[in-house]
Amino acid sequence: GAGVSQSPSNKVTEKGKDVELRCDPISGHTALYWYRQSLGQGLEFLIYFQGNSAPDKSGLPSDRFSAERTGGSVSTLTIQRTQQEDSAVYLCASSLADYGQPQHFGDGTRLSIL
Amino acid sequence: SQQGEEDPQALSIQEGENATMNCSYKTSINNLQWYRQNSGRGLVHLILIRSNEREKHSGRLRVTLDTSKKSSSLLITASRAADTASYFCATLKAAGNKLTFGGGTRVLVKP
Repeated sequence: GAGVSQSPSNKVTEKGKDVELRCDPISGHTALYWYRQSLGQGLEFLIYFQGNSAPDKSGLPSDRFSAERTGGSVSTLTIQRTQQEDSAVYLCASSLADYGQPQHFGDGTRLSIL
Repeated sequence: SQQGEEDPQALSIQEGENATMNCSYKTSINNLQWYRQNSGRGLVHLILIRSNEREKHSGRLRVTLDTSKKSSSLLITASRAADTASYFCATLKAAGNKLTFGGGTRVLVKP
């Protein structure tokens, strides 16, 4: 498709399990961003990729969170040993490489930790 | 604390009325962007205003930026029920390529 695609759209898992969230950006967009949005709140920045490298990973909450991007395209966000406070919507966005360009968002993955 | 803070947090208006929401921020910026989010969906980019611009229009949207007051406003004219959504401002600092989002304004347009 033409937009940013995220999968799964919903994920329910038990506390302590690992989860992988996937983001497929718009073709040609070299910048990719992950955000977390708690219910009724704004977006919390997690990590930013330019190509396959992550110049800014300052928003990752703990070492349980990691992300990678391969081939300058698909990215996965991994949360290990999930905790209930990890429950949120995880949003991915992509943009053209140029500085400060508008970001295009996927519809997110709603993660619920039981 | 968040770079961008929207005011009001929630707004309820009748169809046809104008909706105005404000955003304040703390540090120098390169640009400021407004996004809309419908329930259960991702954000959609509405408009970008650069730090050297004071006003910008796009359809029924008007954005102003006052860098001396570190504030911006978004005006939606002649609102429609379909404008019901949350609206977020996001600021881009002079260094780095990271947007910082505010907490949003929830707008309800009643038919």
